[in-house]
Amino acid sequence: ILNVEQSPQSLHVQEGDSTNFTCSFPSSNFYALHWYRWETAKSPEALFVMTLNGDEKKKGRISATLNTKEGYSYLYIKGSQPEDSATYLCAFCTSGTYKYIFGTGTRLKVLA
Amino acid sequence: NAGVTQTPKFQVLKTGQSMTLQCAQDMNHEYMSWYRQDPGMGLRLIHYSVGAGITDQGEVPNGYNVSRSTTEDFPLRLLSAAPSQTSVYFCASSYSRGEQFFGPGTRLTVL
Repeated sequence: ILNVEQSPQSLHVQEGDSTNFTCSFPSSNFYALHWYRWETAKSPEALFVMTLNGDEKKKGRISATLNTKEGYSYLYIKGSQPEDSATYLCAFCTSGTYKYIFGTGTRLKVLA
Repeated sequence: NAGVTQTPKFQVLKTGQSMTLQCAQDMNHEYMSWYRQDPGMGLRLIHYSVGAGITDQGEVPNGYNVSRSTTEDFPLRLLSAAPSQTSVYFCASSYSRGEQFFGPGTRLTVL
């Protein structure tokens, strides 16, 4: 059974703080790692699709890195804003399958 | 483009009843999947399909059936509803193994 772990489970930060979360996944048979942003009462929306070891992606104040050899990805938010409050999910897919296994998410609350 | 649509938005069933959750997408995506979301559990994959006529089981397939007769539609059938199937159900689609686009969800309560 594939296990995808995210830490921390939840996080409260002040507006303007920078923060980061971790997604850990099996390092063998890697195909892709996705990050999603999930706001309350909405559906998850994709932030990044990462496929290569060493990948770094950026969208505005949010960025992500990928290390497939050791099985982890970091998501960074620079200068957090209240509108960044959401649950951030990662999802892992192995080569040879079309199954995406999601972590349980990191719930971020940015306090004004 | 409507994207991914799901019906109904809400449903209440009695134990033992059956029903079908509908999912449709208009993006010509070959990959479609069903997830359930429970508190503290994230999204768990129920069934998925890589094209019309091809389906496979995910992490939690028991009690659910799927079929994929067209590219657009991927219905999820609950054969005999149980209280343990109370959950929020999300359908998603993607082009190959790219980013997934999620529907708005169906909130199901089984009494």
